[in-house]
Amino acid sequence: AQSVTQPDIHITVSEGASLELRCNYSYGATPYLFWYVQSPGQGLQLLLKYFSGDTLVQGIKGFEAEFKRSQSSFNLRKPSVHWSDAAEYFCAVGRRGGSYIPTFGRGTSLIVHP
Amino acid sequence: DTGVSQNPRHKITKRGQNVTFRCDPISEHNRLYWYRQTLGQGPEFLTYFQNEAQLEKSRLLSDRFSAERPKGSFSTLEIQRTEQGDSAMYLCASSPPEGEKLFFGSGTQLSVL
Repeated sequence: AQSVTQPDIHITVSEGASLELRCNYSYGATPYLFWYVQSPGQGLQLLLKYFSGDTLVQGIKGFEAEFKRSQSSFNLRKPSVHWSDAAEYFCAVGRRGGSYIPTFGRGTSLIVHP
Repeated sequence: DTGVSQNPRHKITKRGQNVTFRCDPISEHNRLYWYRQTLGQGPEFLTYFQNEAQLEKSRLLSDRFSAERPKGSFSTLEIQRTEQGDSAMYLCASSPPEGEKLFFGSGTQLSVL
């Protein structure tokens, strides 16, 4: 069965600083990988996904993530954080073939200081 | 595209009562998912429909939980004989036939007193 570990429960950054959120996955083959964002009172929104090909994927809102097979990681990055990026971020791994049902990590809460 | 709609937004009930939640997916989406999320945790998969067929259920799903998707459109999730441990946010998501991007609703927050 697939699983996801997000080792950081909270991350605090200053506005304008760079950001990296960590994600490690466990899956027997090459997985589908996702990052979702959840703002208070909002549904989860897909930021980006990796299926195959280029291991550096670009997403919405200036986010990117890099798939590293050797490290079983899919870390999310942003070069300059805005106050509106404060939210909960979830990494997810989906199985290949059929239903894609994603398994989510516990999430990382991003706090942005002015 | 009006998004995934979930009703009610909040539900407060007493232990032992039955509750039912509704999810209206995006109209052209044939796949529908239910997740549960507790405070400080990520969404936990409950069940999955493709059209009207319930294709997968989590082994963690108690037999007090049942979900339906008649006619492959809206879905309902019923919890019978609620327990305090059922208190959580219940999330619904849908996806198109190619399946990989899930669109989530805002959820139904259940509080069992």
